Amino acid sequence: AQSVTQPDIHITVSEGASLELRCNYSYGATPYLFWYVQSPGQGLQLLLKYFSGDTLVQGIKGFEAEFKRSQSSFNLRKPSVHWSDAAEYFCALDNYGQNFVFGPGTRLSVLP
Amino acid sequence: GAGVSQSPSNKVTEKGKDVELRCDPISGHTALYWYRQRLGQGLEFLIYFQGNSAPDKSGLPSDRFSAERTGESVSTLTIQRTQQEDSAVYLCASSLRANTEAFFGQGTRLTVV
Repeated sequence: AQSVTQPDIHITVSEGASLELRCNYSYGATPYLFWYVQSPGQGLQLLLKYFSGDTLVQGIKGFEAEFKRSQSSFNLRKPSVHWSDAAEYFCALDNYGQNFVFGPGTRLSVLP
Repeated sequence: GAGVSQSPSNKVTEKGKDVELRCDPISGHTALYWYRQRLGQGLEFLIYFQGNSAPDKSGLPSDRFSAERTGESVSTLTIQRTQQEDSAVYLCASSLRANTEAFFGQGTRLTVV
């Protein structure tokens, strides 16, 4: 069955530090992958997407993600975190064009 | 342009009452999705509409839940005889077509008392 796992429930980093949020997936073909961010009381905002081609994709707000087929991973990175990045982050895959399967989310806290 | 719009943003209802939640997708988007997000939880798929095809209702948790979509426009999610466990944020999303990214609304926070 298609699934997305995010091993880290909660991560705390200091402002200015680098960030990596992990995402692993299980899927029967080459997946379409996404990262979304959700601020408190808000809907989900798309950060970036991977469909094909270059395995390193750039997104908004300085985020990037790398697709690694051999590791079934799509980790999200940012070189320098800002306090405004504190939010919930969701990794998702397109389930054969029928819906989206989401991971459980990783809550990011940023220390001043 | 306008994003996905959901109304109401908040709804408090008494147990046993029916509620109707509305979603206006982005104009031209053929695909529409409903998800449920319980407090502190991830997103739970409810239903998927694609154009004029029969909807995928495989995620609806019980027969108290139903949804409709008029063509490629507005969708309504109806919950009959609400229960306390229905309390959640209901998120709607739309995409241009299948296999493209989804854009989410702000959600409707439903509280059943």
